[in-house]
Amino acid sequence: NAGVTQTPKFRVLKTGQSMTLLCAQDMNHEYMYWYRQDPGMGLRLIHYSVGEGTTAKGEVPDGYNVSRLKKQNFLLGLESAAPSQTSVYFCASSYSFGTSGSGNEQFFGPGTRLTVL
Amino acid sequence: AQSVSQHNHHVILSEAASLELGCNYSYGGTVNLFWYVQYPGQHLQLLLKYFSGDPLVKGIKGFEAEFIKSKFSFNLRKPSVQWSDTAEYFCAATSGTYKYIFGTGTRLKVLA
Repeated sequence: NAGVTQTPKFRVLKTGQSMTLLCAQDMNHEYMYWYRQDPGMGLRLIHYSVGEGTTAKGEVPDGYNVSRLKKQNFLLGLESAAPSQTSVYFCASSYSFGTSGSGNEQFFGPGTRLTVL
Repeated sequence: AQSVSQHNHHVILSEAASLELGCNYSYGGTVNLFWYVQYPGQHLQLLLKYFSGDPLVKGIKGFEAEFIKSKFSFNLRKPSVQWSDTAEYFCAATSGTYKYIFGTGTRLKVLA
């Protein structure tokens, strides 16, 4: 099991350029999430998905779009990158959600370090 | 608004010292709580979680956490830290929705 994988690991963009970050999981998890991690701010949820073909906005969705065409993949797109989007991006997945305690822990990918000049 | 607070942003300890990292949450109703660890250059990994039952939860690598409902706290403890525990630690909570709230993290440095 590879768990959660992310590509690319590093990327440098110029302001206005676009790119797509790919997240893949092989655990057959229904729920997937994109976070950004900034110093002193912890992890903030960008978008999430509760199943194939569904997406929803998180805490900081502006400037990002997502798609979940296949259950195992969750793509994060930046249409016109801005310096404020310089961050480390983490993808996560979970088997379930809620407070049942069963399978609701998140599994994280290794992250993508993005710099926008 | 729901929130998770970690009061210690940076902690420096010597090897064999005891560790306690604070975590407070503001949620109404049932809550599940997590501690994740992020070693330098790596992704977040689950240390332990609480969802019901015994409020003292034991996790991997000798870590434990105690859920104190009356104090809205879920502090992480380890009796004797090692150099390899140098990492950033995140407390997180969820209350039944798809949303997980993370604290801002505590950077722990253990001196050999």
